[in-house]
Amino acid sequence: AQRVTQPEKLLSVFKGAPVELKCNYSYSGSPELFWYVQYSRQRLQLLLRHISRESIKGFTADLNKGETSFHLKKPFAQEEDSAMYYCALSGRLRSGYSTLTFGKGTMLLVSP
Amino acid sequence: DGGITQSPKYLFRKEGQNVTLSCEQNLNHDAMYWYRQDPGQGLRLIYYSQIVNDFQKGDIAEGYSVSREKKESFPLTVTSAQKNPTAFYLCASNGQGKDEQFFGPGTRLTVL
Repeated sequence: AQRVTQPEKLLSVFKGAPVELKCNYSYSGSPELFWYVQYSRQRLQLLLRHISRESIKGFTADLNKGETSFHLKKPFAQEEDSAMYYCALSGRLRSGYSTLTFGKGTMLLVSP
Repeated sequence: DGGITQSPKYLFRKEGQNVTLSCEQNLNHDAMYWYRQDPGQGLRLIYYSQIVNDFQKGDIAEGYSVSREKKESFPLTVTSAQKNPTAFYLCASNGQGKDEQFFGPGTRLTVL
């Protein structure tokens, strides 16, 4: 069974401080992992995926298969980063579609 | 304006009543999903559909029903059998072979 664990419900930092939102997963196959973000009064949207290896809004995430982790990092937090962040694992179905298993989410609060 | 729409934004229901939440998409996506979002619980999959006239139960399908008569529409009915229906409901969709899911704005259901 696939599982995603986000150990922190809330992470509170000051503007300019480094941020790391933790995500660990369990999956028997080759994982595809994502970070989704939900800003206040906005819909849930994709932030980044491990396959693309890109940096979005200054955030990066590296898949570590040995530690089964996909932590989200940003060197200098901004107030506009305050949001709910969800780590998600994709489970491919035989049909070619996939379902997502989400972690419970981490609320990031960046104070001025 | 392309995307996923959900209606209504807020819904109130008396105990013992069934209620149907609407989800429509004009993205030409084959797959559609319903999630339930509760504080501290993350997103949990209720039902999903990969093609018209076909759907599968997710992790928490009990007390819910769906239909998929048209590609664009995937309504969710919350029945009186659902023991704890007050929650925020999110609809999503994606295309075949695409892992990124696109989310609607959500419907907040409150049972009085």
